[in-house]
Amino acid sequence: RKEVEQDPGPFNVPEGATVAFNCTYSNSASQSFFWYRQDCRKEPKLLMSVYSSGNEDGRFTAQLNRASQYISLLIRDSKLSDSATYLCAVNRLISSGTYKYIFGTGTRLKVLA
Amino acid sequence: EAQVTQNPRYLITVTGKKLTVTCSQNMNHEYMSWYRQDPGLGLRQIYYSMNVEVTDKGDVPEGYKVSRKEKRNFPLILESPSPNQTSLYFCASSLQGDLSGANVLTFGAGSRLTVL
Repeated sequence: RKEVEQDPGPFNVPEGATVAFNCTYSNSASQSFFWYRQDCRKEPKLLMSVYSSGNEDGRFTAQLNRASQYISLLIRDSKLSDSATYLCAVNRLISSGTYKYIFGTGTRLKVLA
Repeated sequence: EAQVTQNPRYLITVTGKKLTVTCSQNMNHEYMSWYRQDPGLGLRQIYYSMNVEVTDKGDVPEGYKVSRKEKRNFPLILESPSPNQTSLYFCASSLQGDLSGANVLTFGAGSRLTVL
């Protein structure tokens, strides 16, 4: 079982729809959480960090559930330009003073006109 | 412009011919890392560096070497490339590698390597 798991999709949604992705992590020592966006054949770019209290950035809302060990991303009013792969990432301590980012394999979103 | 620069962006080579993929960042970041991305496997860490002269293996270090002689540069060396190293490679950096708020990763544009 992978340490960070995501549904690979694709999620095909019409413009204007609301779509939600979940990402589960298995190591309870995970401390920091992120969503990255990756366009086809391009580098991942930070979409948003995920804070314990949840956070919102325009049409995007991220939530963290430590008890159930998952993070979520909600996209409201989907745009064609939201079509991309969304990677979740966690950061955790692996040894004294050393930390590691672990990425999920990504969830592919296609927004259809 | 703050960025991570990788070169070459595209490379086709043959088995056994040593190559180096360079990575440079201009943000004075302490932490740097190399990943490879393969379909269905996601981003897997090859090597990382917490600071100058401090490097360590990631999840898939076999067949790769790195060095961190200067803060800004973190080259990835394939001493004897093999076809299973055909992949999309990303270099990334962050201000610090710890759990502070400064640990967001910035990625380079990627290097697509094909080994025949």
